[in-house]
Amino acid sequence: NAGVTQTPKFQVLKTGQSMTLQCAQDMNHEYMSWYRQDPGMGLRLIHYSVGAGITDQGEVPNGYNVSRSTTEDFPLRLLSAAPSQTSVYFCASGESGSTYEQYFGPGTRLTVT
Amino acid sequence: GNSVTQMEGPVTLSEEAFLTINCTYTATGYPSLFWYVQYPGEGLQLLLKATKADDKGSNKGFEATYRKETTSFHLEKGSVQVSDSAVYFCALRGPQAGTALIFGKGTTLSVSS
Repeated sequence: NAGVTQTPKFQVLKTGQSMTLQCAQDMNHEYMSWYRQDPGMGLRLIHYSVGAGITDQGEVPNGYNVSRSTTEDFPLRLLSAAPSQTSVYFCASGESGSTYEQYFGPGTRLTVT
Repeated sequence: GNSVTQMEGPVTLSEEAFLTINCTYTATGYPSLFWYVQYPGEGLQLLLKATKADDKGSNKGFEATYRKETTSFHLEKGSVQVSDSAVYFCALRGPQAGTALIFGKGTTLSVSS
């Protein structure tokens, strides 16, 4: 199993550009989520999904879109990048039950200039 | 809503010292509690968890006990090593299926030899 994979590892964007961060998991997990990690802020939830076709907003959803057309993939779209979106982005997956842990990908470091 | 508060770092210790990182939470019902660890340049990985009151999670010499009466889940290790240097995150997941993992802001631990 590859677990949770994320691409790209690093990305530099100019303000106003759009891009998609890719996330895939091969563990047949129902639940997937996106977090951003900023110094002193911990991890903040952007969006999450409890299954294909179902998504919901987290704590900081503005400026980001998601969709879940398959169980395996959960891409995160930045429609018009802003410097405030400079961050490290982590995708995670796991079972939906509350006692289950999340498995994290290696992260994507995004810089918006 | 659900939230996690953990002690601010950085925590600087000498090798073989005793470690405590405090974590308290606010949640309705009976959440599951987790400690994750992030080594430099890596994603997060589960360190230990506890899913009901008075449970003790343990792994790699680390321990934490789910204390409902004090709403706490403090992380402890009797003798830290240089290799334990990392960022530690306390997290909770609400009791309903499909709820998100909510993180504290993280505590940086630095262990010197």
